[in-house]
Amino acid sequence: DTGVSQDPRHKITKRGQNVTFRCDPISEHNRLYWYRQTLGQGPEFLTYFQNEAQLEKSRLLSDRFSAERPKGSFSTLEIQRTEQGDSAMYLCASSLDKRGSLQETQYFGPGTRLLVL
Amino acid sequence: QKEVEQDPGPLSVPEGAIVSLNCTYSNSAFQYFMWYRQYSRKGPELLMYTYSSGNKEDGRFTAQVDKSSKYISLFIRDSQPSDSATYLCAMNYFGNEKLTFGTGTRLTIIP
Repeated sequence: DTGVSQDPRHKITKRGQNVTFRCDPISEHNRLYWYRQTLGQGPEFLTYFQNEAQLEKSRLLSDRFSAERPKGSFSTLEIQRTEQGDSAMYLCASSLDKRGSLQETQYFGPGTRLLVL
Repeated sequence: QKEVEQDPGPLSVPEGAIVSLNCTYSNSAFQYFMWYRQYSRKGPELLMYTYSSGNKEDGRFTAQVDKSSKYISLFIRDSQPSDSATYLCAMNYFGNEKLTFGTGTRLTIIP
């Protein structure tokens, strides 16, 4: 399978614990996005990378959240001191930014479902 | 007020019916419009992408954009039970790559 993969698919944690999620994008894609989706809502943008550079962060991304893409390939999203309000589906998407192209398609992974008790 | 409004449904229609799904938006800078389908506990999957006002057809699916009214639609002809899913509209504008989504409409096709 050459799509976007995410690990783990499910995570249950206790309030106050730290969690880390991993996203492996489609191999030639240079852009990687993180979104968060709560029940009954559409995905909300958190942050995105162009290669290893983090180019934009949403104000939804509090100081407890950090994302990295150290070698421009896979990315990690860490949440420190989790709160019950962090319970959501965390989605990763990737795309290929081609110079001169008006638009690129974002391909989503299956998501990591987080439950904070 | 949200930038993108979408009726969350749920919407139930009999198999074979034509389905109409709609979104409105407030930011006139949005130029690119997408429809994603999301099955339960899965990630969104791109169905249609449009740029200009007008219609775009792909098999049983037709995407319609009216930029003057800030209104987009997705029509599904000859609906099938396998079309049962949540349909998300999404949009962005040139130079701003993040997608802004509607809340999604949950659709059920009844056999």
